[in-house]
Amino acid sequence: DVKVTQSSRYLVKRTGEKVFLECVQDMDHENMFWYRQDPGLGLRLIYFSYDVKMKEKGDIPEGYSVSREKKERFSLILESASTNQTSMYLCASSLLFRSYEQYFGPGTRLTVT
Amino acid sequence: QKEVEQNSGPLSVPEGAIASLNCTYSDRVSQSFFWYRQYSGKSPELIMSIYSNGDKEDGRFTAQLNKASQYVSLLIRDSQPSDSATYLCAVNSNTGNQFYFGTGTSLTVIP
Repeated sequence: DVKVTQSSRYLVKRTGEKVFLECVQDMDHENMFWYRQDPGLGLRLIYFSYDVKMKEKGDIPEGYSVSREKKERFSLILESASTNQTSMYLCASSLLFRSYEQYFGPGTRLTVT
Repeated sequence: QKEVEQNSGPLSVPEGAIASLNCTYSDRVSQSFFWYRQYSGKSPELIMSIYSNGDKEDGRFTAQLNKASQYVSLLIRDSQPSDSATYLCAVNSNTGNQFYFGTGTSLTVIP
């Protein structure tokens, strides 16, 4: 069974803190994605990666960075958290040439105070 | 202009009725179209994909695509309360790995 896990379901951080969100998939998928989901704005792509150490910016990369040192793990980093980064963060993965068929993790609801 | 637009709803239908969800997209050369379902508090899951003009049926779900009108829809026949969720339309960009989600339509099926 397909499985994508995220390190935390809920996270509360203070403004200015460095935040790490971890995502692990066990399907040997090449592609991994980070989205944020906000009411009225839908799902917006932050970054994606199609291979180890490879990354591509999505629509809203500002204030975020990513790391993919192993195929199964994709990390999202908020270098200095701000209140406007309070959101639901969703990780997804897919096979290389089936990027449309994405499997999502349960999400991390991040609150920055 | 947004890449993918959906009516946010909420859309309410009685149990057993047909629910019709609509989506328009702006990129004329988009090739692939998808519907995801997202239950409240859960993450999206893929339920339908369609690549060519016409209808595609899968159980109670039918996806309809009209590329000339840049329009894709999802019909749910014999709607059940368990179909109550937000439905996200997604369109594959012409550039390859990226694709764009609509903001979703909230559907409530009333018993």
